[in-house]
Amino acid sequence: GENVEQHPSTLSVQEGDSAVIKCTYSDSASNYFPWYKQELGKRPQLIIDIRSNVGEKKDQRIAVTLNKTAKHFSLHITETQPEDSAVYFCAASGNGNQFYFGTGTSLTVIP
Amino acid sequence: DAGITQSPRHKVTETGTPVTLRCHQTENHRYMYWYRQDPGHGLRLIHYSYGVKDTDKGEVSDGYSVSRSKTEDFLLTLESATSSQTSVYFCAIYIFSGRRETQYFGPGTRLLVL
Repeated sequence: GENVEQHPSTLSVQEGDSAVIKCTYSDSASNYFPWYKQELGKRPQLIIDIRSNVGEKKDQRIAVTLNKTAKHFSLHITETQPEDSAVYFCAASGNGNQFYFGTGTSLTVIP
Repeated sequence: DAGITQSPRHKVTETGTPVTLRCHQTENHRYMYWYRQDPGHGLRLIHYSYGVKDTDKGEVSDGYSVSRSKTEDFLLTLESATSSQTSVYFCAIYIFSGRRETQYFGPGTRLLVL
């Protein structure tokens, strides 16, 4: 099956700086890559996603890039704010209904 | 929240007792999932369902069983709870809308096995 690795496990940045979280996947059949944000005590919630026919996608301060050849994808958060502090999960899906998750990155934005 | 709820939200039980967690959805989605979330492990799939009475195992299915007798309900049973099953359990549904496909999660159930 698919194996998704996520790095780093923890990340601290100063408010206003950028944050980058990276994931790799193993199955070349994976074609959909969502990112989830989970605040403390809450459910994971989708924040952005990308399909394999697209190399980059942006939504305000967050962006995701995908390198199919290298089998890695990344989440970029610019101009970080304290409310960006949370755990972020990447995931990969190939058959449309099974998702494989990374182990999460705990992001702390220091005011 | 895609009409997905879980019950109970919190439960404390003793080792060896059976426990059933319920996931309920209101939008008639075909696919439903149970995950457990533990520090350092992210979200791990326990079981999933692709229709009424159609279920399959995930990567951490040992000690768990599921049932889906109605589209809207997906039950997770810990047959004989152990301390290693102390975790946060999330139910999820798969939504495909043409432009977006993803899993939406329920609010979670915190289970403590003493």
